[in-house]
Amino acid sequence: EVQMVESGGGLIKPGRSLRLSCTTSGFAFGEYGLSWFRQAPGKGLEWVGFIGSKASDGTTEYAASVKGRFFISRDDSKSIAHLHMNSLRIEDTGVYYCGRDAFGVIAKWGQGTLVTVSS
Amino acid sequence: DIQMTQSPSTLSASVGDRVTITCRASRSIDDWLAWYQQKPGKAPELLIYKASALESGVPSRFSGSRSGTNFTLTISSLQPDDFATYYCQQYKSSSSYTFGQGTKLEIK
Repeated sequence: EVQMVESGGGLIKPGRSLRLSCTTSGFAFGEYGLSWFRQAPGKGLEWVGFIGSKASDGTTEYAASVKGRFFISRDDSKSIAHLHMNSLRIEDTGVYYCGRDAFGVIAKWGQGTLVTVSS
Repeated sequence: DIQMTQSPSTLSASVGDRVTITCRASRSIDDWLAWYQQKPGKAPELLIYKASALESGVPSRFSGSRSGTNFTLTISSLQPDDFATYYCQQYKSSSSYTFGQGTKLEIK
């Protein structure tokens, strides 16, 4: 069974850094891309960024709203990906989801982890 | 960036009704469109991909179609479990995915 579990969320002050993890099992992690998404309280879904599989040299892409502040890494040996978030802003508050990315189709999602940026 | 305009934002319907939700892309995305269902406090679930392909395990009352840059999600006969929020997502390019604003499907 495919499982994806996010962790690392919490309450953090503006300007600080936080690292989220997406721990996976049940599939060949290295063969898939992985995307991060977020959802502000009461709002819609927003794509945050993507990391490609090893076959695509692990290329990364980011939404304009986080480019230069967030970056994504992956460790295929541990089937885990990380979202490194720097210079956090109040507007970065929300539930963060990781998703298994098969050429843009997200058939498997984690349950989400809440990040609250507040002073 | 490609913009996705989804309508309506809210839809009230009854069990057994046929409902339609629409997404319009700001430019051509071919068939690179997915539909997701999300219930409160839960992650989204994939319903449809490549505009009209039904994800495994999704009931056949869900269907998707495309006409140019207009995409439609249809539920042929609403069931109690279908009351949720629905999102479209374009994935023409991995450098930027975008979602529609969402449609909240409520019980009339």
